[in-house]
Amino acid sequence: GENVEQHPSTLSVQEGDSAVIKCTYSDSASNYFPWYKQELGKRPQLIIDIRSNVGEKKDQRIAVTLNKTAKHFSLHITETQPEDSAVYFCAATSGNTPLVFGKGTRLSVIA
Amino acid sequence: DTGVSQNPRHKITKRGQNVTFRCDPISEHNRLYWYRQTLGQGPEFLTYFQNEAQLEKSRLLSDRFSAERPKGSFSTLEIQRTEQGDSAMYLCASSLRVTGTEAFFGQGTRLTVV
Repeated sequence: GENVEQHPSTLSVQEGDSAVIKCTYSDSASNYFPWYKQELGKRPQLIIDIRSNVGEKKDQRIAVTLNKTAKHFSLHITETQPEDSAVYFCAATSGNTPLVFGKGTRLSVIA
Repeated sequence: DTGVSQNPRHKITKRGQNVTFRCDPISEHNRLYWYRQTLGQGPEFLTYFQNEAQLEKSRLLSDRFSAERPKGSFSTLEIQRTEQGDSAMYLCASSLRVTGTEAFFGQGTRLTVV
């Protein structure tokens, strides 16, 4: 089955700096890679996703890149703000299988 | 509220008791997932349904766990003879069947076994 590894487990950045979170996956059949943000005591919510037919996607300060050959994908947050502080999860699926999540990255943005 | 709804939000039970959780997915979603999340970890897959059919169960789902989605709408997750190790947040999510579509999560049910 699919296995998703996520690094780092914790990340602290100064407000205004960039943050990068990396994930690797094992199943070459996986073709959908969402990123979820979970604030303390709240449900995970999708912030951006990418499908295997594209290599990069951007939405304002958030971007995701995908390298299918290396089986890794990354989340980039630019101009970080205190409200970006949360736990971020990557996930992968082939569509015929359930989403498999990484263990999460706790991002702290220091004002 | 047209999102995924879970009840109860919190459940405290004594070890050995049975508990049942309910999930109401977004109405047009035919896929429904159950995940378990412990502190500091990502959601761990338990089982999922497409309409009323249970398609896959994780090895995490021991024989004390059972899930149903009898009419292809709401789902229940029952844990029999609860153990302290069952204490966790149980998350439900739903999505459309189409590949590569967003899974929406409910608020979760936090189970504490004492």
